Amino acid sequence: GAGVSQTPSNKVTEKGKYVELRCDPISGHTALYWYRQSLGQGPEFLIYFQGTGAADDSGLPNDRFFAVRPEGSVSTLKIQRTERGDSAVYLCASSGGKGSSYNEQFFGPGTRLTVL
Amino acid sequence: AQKITQTQPGMFVQEKEAVTLDCTYDTSDPSYGLFWYKQPSSGEMIFLIYQGSYDQQNATEGRYSLNFQKARKSANLVISASQLGDSAMYFCAMRESSKGSWGKLQFGAGTQVVVTP
Repeated sequence: GAGVSQTPSNKVTEKGKYVELRCDPISGHTALYWYRQSLGQGPEFLIYFQGTGAADDSGLPNDRFFAVRPEGSVSTLKIQRTERGDSAVYLCASSGGKGSSYNEQFFGPGTRLTVL
Repeated sequence: AQKITQTQPGMFVQEKEAVTLDCTYDTSDPSYGLFWYKQPSSGEMIFLIYQGSYDQQNATEGRYSLNFQKARKSANLVISASQLGDSAMYFCAMRESSKGSWGKLQFGAGTQVVVTP
């Protein structure tokens, strides 16, 4: 398909609630990445997948954050017991696969999460 | 410690002029990659250019070139012949390959560029 897509584009939730953010990578891309970008800052790495497995989850801030990619394409970032400090834009990117370099990560438009 | 430092929070540049965005990095990894991304006000991150630590030549992509000075640990981005559409936030990023996490990009704080007519 086209580029990386992320849903929802905006999510407003209350402190303590559970949220799921979805990422659809570019078809055929084997690697998928999640980043978080707070206002006025650069993106901060959270986790990346190679296929179905998490190759590096060192950026997940705590055990409230979890991500899955069960079939090696779509990924869901799950945040439990949300806190106001979780408010940020969550970016997803994908790369790699036939005819595609792993160097260039193609980013989606992001999900803006606001925790009230 | 900061891995990527971008010391210029904001810059104005006149259309058709060249602009250099500074980036210094900190790593002890002998194998690493350096990246520049553009983020317009729409929010999407756009890949511009990549330089590998073992590359002998400076990377170039159209109007973008990367001035790689390994000994000084700097990877400045040069945009030639600026256009109004170049107005955006620019991020420098690094990937440290030897630690086995080739997918993890570490970003700087960014430089806001405004191109004026």
